[in-house]
Amino acid sequence: KQEVTQIPAALSVPEGENLVLNCSFTDSAIYNLQWFRQDPGKGLTSLLLIQSSQREQTSGRLNASLDKSSGRSTLYIAASQPGDSATYLCAVWNNNDMRFGAGTRLTVKP
Amino acid sequence: GAVVSQHPSRVICKSGTSVKIECRSLDFQATTMFWYRQFPKQSLMLMATSNEGSKATYEQGVEKDKFLINHASLTLSTLTVTSAHPEDSSFYICSALRAGNSPLHFGNGTRLTVT
Repeated sequence: KQEVTQIPAALSVPEGENLVLNCSFTDSAIYNLQWFRQDPGKGLTSLLLIQSSQREQTSGRLNASLDKSSGRSTLYIAASQPGDSATYLCAVWNNNDMRFGAGTRLTVKP
Repeated sequence: GAVVSQHPSRVICKSGTSVKIECRSLDFQATTMFWYRQFPKQSLMLMATSNEGSKATYEQGVEKDKFLINHASLTLSTLTVTSAHPEDSSFYICSALRAGNSPLHFGNGTRLTVT
């Protein structure tokens, strides 16, 4: 059964820093990996989707990489802003099995 | 873009009543829908996976007779919390998967409070 781990569980950084969030998974036979953002009490916002044949995706200040063989993905956030404060979740899935990590709670201090 | 509509966004009910939550894929056919629950300050937990026209697959520890899932069409899945109790108070989110190698789309969630 797929297990997804996110490190660190919480992260606090000053505004402007570049940071990396980590996601690891135990079963490399995945179709996709998706990074989400969740604000308190709100639903999920999809940030980046990496298909299994891809190695990375970029959107604005966000860059996500995927290394299936080692079961790892990273989410890189450049020039962090207070508005980036949220919980970031990674999810790995194949046809009918989808698992979330526990998330990383990010706080960006002004 | 693809949109998933979840309704209601908030519901308050009395203990012992049943609550139905709807999840609709608005512009695509969802072969699979997932239901999650999130308690305060905890991660999303998958409750069940439903495929159109078949019985839902429940995760271990989730009572299928309490959380009734119906996926009657390719655009609609419902979660009914039967005989709700205060401990069922939680944030419930659905997601829908279009066939093929496409991203998951999520509803905005339903905040259930049982008094």
